[in-house]
Amino acid sequence: DQQVKQNSPSLSVQEGRISILNCDYTNSMFDYFLWYKKYPAEGPTFLISISSIKDKNEDGRFTVFLNKSAKHLSLHIVPSQPGDSAVYFCAASAQAAGTYKYIFGTGTRLKVLA
Amino acid sequence: EAGVTQFPSHSVIEKGQTVTLRCDPISGHDNLYWYRRVMGKEIKFLLHFVKESKQDESGMPNNRFLAERTGGTYSTLKVQPAELEDSGVYFCASSQDLSGEGYTFGSGTRLTVV
Repeated sequence: DQQVKQNSPSLSVQEGRISILNCDYTNSMFDYFLWYKKYPAEGPTFLISISSIKDKNEDGRFTVFLNKSAKHLSLHIVPSQPGDSAVYFCAASAQAAGTYKYIFGTGTRLKVLA
Repeated sequence: EAGVTQFPSHSVIEKGQTVTLRCDPISGHDNLYWYRRVMGKEIKFLLHFVKESKQDESGMPNNRFLAERTGGTYSTLKVQPAELEDSGVYFCASSQDLSGEGYTFGSGTRLTVV
């Protein structure tokens, strides 16, 4: 049973436009969420995080939104750049419950077209 | 600072053979994690070491997998005997604290069991 779901395997966006990547989760104990970016033949790299006490976190071109009632988070990239083309994973953990392992989604491959 | 190093980068073995993967974390990182990604699926947690102790091994699939971290430095993950379904990319990550933001992933070992 997959607790973190990324239902869009791929997304294409024109350079300069907004990219929106979505993630849904089922476990209400999750209280800390991350987005990772992964290029081919490399390990995932941390992008941005949000804790359950917030509904938005922004870092430059990247903003993560959290809707706890819907158990949904999204990553907005504005403006999108060709270098953003990568696979994006969302991940969640239940840290208040004392577990620090992360449950990852299956990833969304973003392609930013020049 | 040197990143997380994993080797080999690729390994092709026959079903029934033994393979040992190695991970050298960032120096001084007490936390070391193993994750696995099977083709196109999510990145799945395997286990978490704090120094040389197994903090959480709830993700280890079965007793064919053995992880060690002698002396709290590098870690090995042995698969014996390997099965076809063990194929995938094995990622190691390390962190100083328990927050996922502090994870640094290695580039992974791609294991193919034929």
